Amino acid sequence: KNQVEQSPQSLIILEGKNCTLQCNYTVSPFSNLRWYKQDTGRGPVSLTIMTFSENTKSNGRYTATLDADTKQSSLHITASQLSDSASYICVVRAPLSGTYKYIFGTGTRLKVLA
Amino acid sequence: SAVISQKPSRDICQRGTSLTIQCQVDSQVTMMFWYRQQPGQSLTLIATANQGSEATYESGFVIDKFPISRPNLTFSTLTVSNMSPEDSSIYLCSVEVSGGSTSGTYNEQFFGPGTRLTVL
Repeated sequence: KNQVEQSPQSLIILEGKNCTLQCNYTVSPFSNLRWYKQDTGRGPVSLTIMTFSENTKSNGRYTATLDADTKQSSLHITASQLSDSASYICVVRAPLSGTYKYIFGTGTRLKVLA
Repeated sequence: SAVISQKPSRDICQRGTSLTIQCQVDSQVTMMFWYRQQPGQSLTLIATANQGSEATYESGFVIDKFPISRPNLTFSTLTVSNMSPEDSSIYLCSVEVSGGSTSGTYNEQFFGPGTRLTVL
């Protein structure tokens, strides 16, 4: 079982609608949690980074929330645009044996239709 | 921030050959990583490229198959050796830089555009 699980696996919405992507993790402790957007054929681009003490962070139409007690994070996209069609990846940075590692979720593939 | 470029952007190779992927960063960085992303999958760390010493490989990846060079703080190469169709994937270079906000200091990871490799 992956330590970072994302849902749904894929999602189709109409342009202008809102949507929420979920990320559940079992990693503990962790340094920070990130959300990335990955366009097809491109590398991931950071949307938000939150430490364990932060509850919410916004980046334009993207708002991420974090509940460290329930080990859940969400990414809310407001007024979706066609350009939001991409994969969204949740990543947890966690300390490990004196160093750290990045644990990647499997991603949610979002398709926005006109 | 960091701007990362990779060469080539894509390639189609024959079984048994090798391909070297280059990664160039616009600033000096300590931490550089190589990832593989197979179709429809998330990213898997291959190794951490250490400047001036041998790379640190993750479980399942070995130096003979994926030799890595890191001659300085802005450049690294990954070679995919003796390729097979199972090596068809996107290979991504990544760096980590220190950043911060009012909430504190954190390390931010930037990714290159990736190299799409198809092995026939």
